Amino acid sequence: GQNIDQPTEMTATEGAIVQINCTYQTSGFNGLFWYQQHAGEAPTFLSYNVLDGLEEKGRFSSFLSRSKGYSYLLLKELQMKDSASYLCAVSLLTTDSWGKFQFGAGTQVVVTP
Amino acid sequence: EAGVAQSPRYKIIEKRQSVAFWCNPISGHATLYWYQQILGQGPKLLIQFQNNGVVDDSQLPKDRFSAERLKGVDSTLKIQPAKLEDSAVYLCASSFVQGAGNSPLHFGNGTRLTVT
Repeated sequence: GQNIDQPTEMTATEGAIVQINCTYQTSGFNGLFWYQQHAGEAPTFLSYNVLDGLEEKGRFSSFLSRSKGYSYLLLKELQMKDSASYLCAVSLLTTDSWGKFQFGAGTQVVVTP
Repeated sequence: EAGVAQSPRYKIIEKRQSVAFWCNPISGHATLYWYQQILGQGPKLLIQFQNNGVVDDSQLPKDRFSAERLKGVDSTLKIQPAKLEDSAVYLCASSFVQGAGNSPLHFGNGTRLTVT
C-alpha cells in the first residue's frame, strides 16, 4: 500500500533552522509537494520536487531523493508566523492516468521566542 | 485570481441529520477534489472529478456520502445521514492540469462540520 511518514511535532527557536523529513513508500511516484497549513486555515502550496536535488525558495528549501523515497523541507531564519502544520504530499500515477495525491499526517512546527 | 470558494464555513448538526457543502473552484480548473481532514491528520481524498465526471471515489462512503459536479464547475458534497465520526473539516481543492501531476492543489478554506 501507500505510506507517507513524517514526524508529528517539532519545536524550534525563532531565527533557527528546522528540517522536516518525509519518507514515502508508494507506487507510481510522480512528484512531491509540501504545503503549509495554519490552524483553522486551508493548506497553501510551498514547494514541488520531481527530480532529485534541492529546490530553494527564499527561506524555504525542499530536497528530494527518489531512490531513497525521502524528502525534507528546510525552514531557515524561523519566524513566529512559521508556526503551522507542514504537509508532505505525493503525486501518484494511476492506471486511469488521472493520477491522485496522497498526504502525510502533517508535522506541527512550534516556533518559540 | 479568485480562490476556491466554499460554504458554509461552519456547520453543527445532530447525528442522523443531513448536510450539504458547496464548492466553486478557480475558473478554468478542470480537476476538483473533496478531502476530509480529521483533526491531527492529513487530508484524505473522498472524491475526484475531471470536469463533471468522477475519476476516483474509492474512499467515499457511498452509503451516506454523495457528490456531484454539474456542468463541470460548482460541486456539492452531501452527507445523509451523518454520524459522529463524520466530524471533520471538508476541504475542496482544484487544479489546472488535468488529473494529478505537477500542478499544485488550490484549497478552499473548508467547512468545519461538528456532528453531535
